[in-house]
Amino acid sequence: TQLLEQSPQFLSIQEGENLTVYCNSSSVFSSLQWYRQEPGEGPVLLVTVVTGGEVKKLKRLTFQFGDARKDSSLHITAAQPGDTGLYLCAAETDSNYQLIWGAGTKLIIKP
Amino acid sequence: NAGVTQTPKFRVLKTGQSMTLLCAQDMNHEYMYWYRQDPGMGLRLIHYSVGEGTTAKGEVPDGYNVSRLKKQNFLLGLESAAPSQTSVYFCASSLSYSLNQPQHFGDGTRLSIL
Repeated sequence: TQLLEQSPQFLSIQEGENLTVYCNSSSVFSSLQWYRQEPGEGPVLLVTVVTGGEVKKLKRLTFQFGDARKDSSLHITAAQPGDTGLYLCAAETDSNYQLIWGAGTKLIIKP
Repeated sequence: NAGVTQTPKFRVLKTGQSMTLLCAQDMNHEYMYWYRQDPGMGLRLIHYSVGEGTTAKGEVPDGYNVSRLKKQNFLLGLESAAPSQTSVYFCASSLSYSLNQPQHFGDGTRLSIL
């Protein structure tokens, strides 16, 4: 069974601090996506990483795909209250058309 | 742009009742998905469709049925609701399966089974 484990499950920090959340697996994936979900809404795609070692930046968010394509991290610099949400990672499975999803990291940024 | 629209947004059912959740997308996407989201667990795929008239089982299909009679609509049915089906249900669509194409989600249907 392929699993995506996200850590930490919950993180509450003050505005302006830096943070990193992780998405790990024992399986190798061809690509991985990060989504953000706000309360009462569906997930929204932030980024897709495809190449081992790839780093993508989205303003204050930096996404990295591990060299072995088994793990990924999301680093937020100078977190803002608008970054509050549930961060989910998703990756392709062995089966067509189906993604597997991590349980998410719930992030709260306090003003 | 409406994107993906789910109806209803909230519903409370009694055990044994039936209902249909509606999903409509206006992006001409071929692929559509139904997920459930429970606390502490990731999104779990219930059923999916790769085109009009086709459906397939996902990870947790038991107790649910689906239909894709029109390309823009994907319906999820509960024939005899059970408390274990209390969850938030999300519909999503994508242009293709490739991870270079994102899944677009609706805002969810919050379903409680008493």
